Amino acid sequence: SQKIEQNSEALNIQEGKTATLTCNYTNYSPAYLQWYRQDPGRGPVFLLLIRENEKEKRKERLKVTFDTTLKQSLFHITASQPADSATYLCALVMDSSYKLIFGSGTRLLVRP
Amino acid sequence: GAGVSQSPSNKVTEKGKDVELRCDPISGHTALYWYRQRLGQGLEFLIYFQGNSAPDKSGLPSDRFSAERTGESVSTLTIQRTQQEDSAVYLCASSLGGGRAHEQFFGPGTRLTVL
Repeated sequence: SQKIEQNSEALNIQEGKTATLTCNYTNYSPAYLQWYRQDPGRGPVFLLLIRENEKEKRKERLKVTFDTTLKQSLFHITASQPADSATYLCALVMDSSYKLIFGSGTRLLVRP
Repeated sequence: GAGVSQSPSNKVTEKGKDVELRCDPISGHTALYWYRQRLGQGLEFLIYFQGNSAPDKSGLPSDRFSAERTGESVSTLTIQRTQQEDSAVYLCASSLGGGRAHEQFFGPGTRLTVL
């Protein structure tokens, strides 16, 4: 069956450390993968998009990797800050579609 | 500039009643999406509008759900004869086009509670 898995347990880290969140998928062949941030009571906000032929993408303190062999994307936040505390969602986009298929998200807590 | 807006922000209704949820997308965005998010879960695709093309309704969970869009502007999602399992946050998003690489801009959602 098709699955997208993100750690359901919250990731709790100390300010200044690097946060690494994982998105694994099964029986999908996405052309694109997007990461979104969602704060409580609000809609998701787009962060980064990575294409299947890209291994890594960076934006300021954010870095995303995409390994189509492992069927995994890693999302890194370096020099994390308490303001980075939120839920982070990965979403797959198939080559033949425009729909986003979302994982259930991982909650990140950054302690001051 | 204005983002995606949704109304109402909260809706409490009784089982069996009909509800109508509204979405105003960003001006100029031709693509509009509706999603449902149950507590602690990811977003579940419901329906997609792109310009004047026929909408993709493949995600609607039952025939109690329907949606309309007026041109490239406002959209309404209607749930008839609501059930308790319809309780969720309903999110609307818009994007510049229906292309795969386009980021989606989300509204704040409507929290629906069916008693």
